Amino acid sequence: DAGVIQSPRHEVTEMGQEVTLRCKPISGHNSLFWYRQTMMRGLELLIYFNNNVPIDDSGMPEDRFSAKMPNASFSTLKIQPSEPRDSAVYFCASSEGLYNEQFFGPGTRLTVL
Amino acid sequence: AQSVTQPDIHITVSEGASLELRCNYSYGATPYLFWYVQSPGQGLQLLLKYFSGDTLVQGIKGFEAEFKRSQSSFNLRKPSVHWSDAAEYFCAVGGDSSYKLIFGSGTRLLVRP
Repeated sequence: DAGVIQSPRHEVTEMGQEVTLRCKPISGHNSLFWYRQTMMRGLELLIYFNNNVPIDDSGMPEDRFSAKMPNASFSTLKIQPSEPRDSAVYFCASSEGLYNEQFFGPGTRLTVL
Repeated sequence: AQSVTQPDIHITVSEGASLELRCNYSYGATPYLFWYVQSPGQGLQLLLKYFSGDTLVQGIKGFEAEFKRSQSSFNLRKPSVHWSDAAEYFCAVGGDSSYKLIFGSGTRLLVRP
């Protein structure tokens, strides 16, 4: 099993640019989660999907952030326009659903200059 | 309010010594409890989880944790630490009413040779 796959692993961009982070969950998992990790705020849940439907996006910090899950094997997190304070490691995780452990991807380290 | 507290930001132990990492939670319903480990530059990996039953749970890499409802605690233990255990450890709580996990701020473990 390949585990949760995230791309890119590293992204460096300039303020104002659009950034798209990608995630492929583990096959058969029906819940997908996007997290952001920073030194100051720790691990924050941004949004999660169940059966491709967004369930709770209350953690999305601003309208500049958006996430989609067009099918069971792919999700994107988009930041437009990006700002330096968006610099963080973004993790995607998937699970088989309620009560089950979340499997994390390796993360995308985003740096916005 | 739902929360997880890991009171120790850093802990340093000597290799071969025993380890206990503290975790206290506040959760309005029956809690499901998790410990994750994060090595530098990696995603989070599940060490163990508690849903119900025996309050002492065994995990991978020789770790165990004990659920104490009266103390709202779920402390992680290991009888003999190895240098490869140096990492950051996160406690998390979820429940049967939500897909979400609430993470603590983490404890960074340093291992002295």
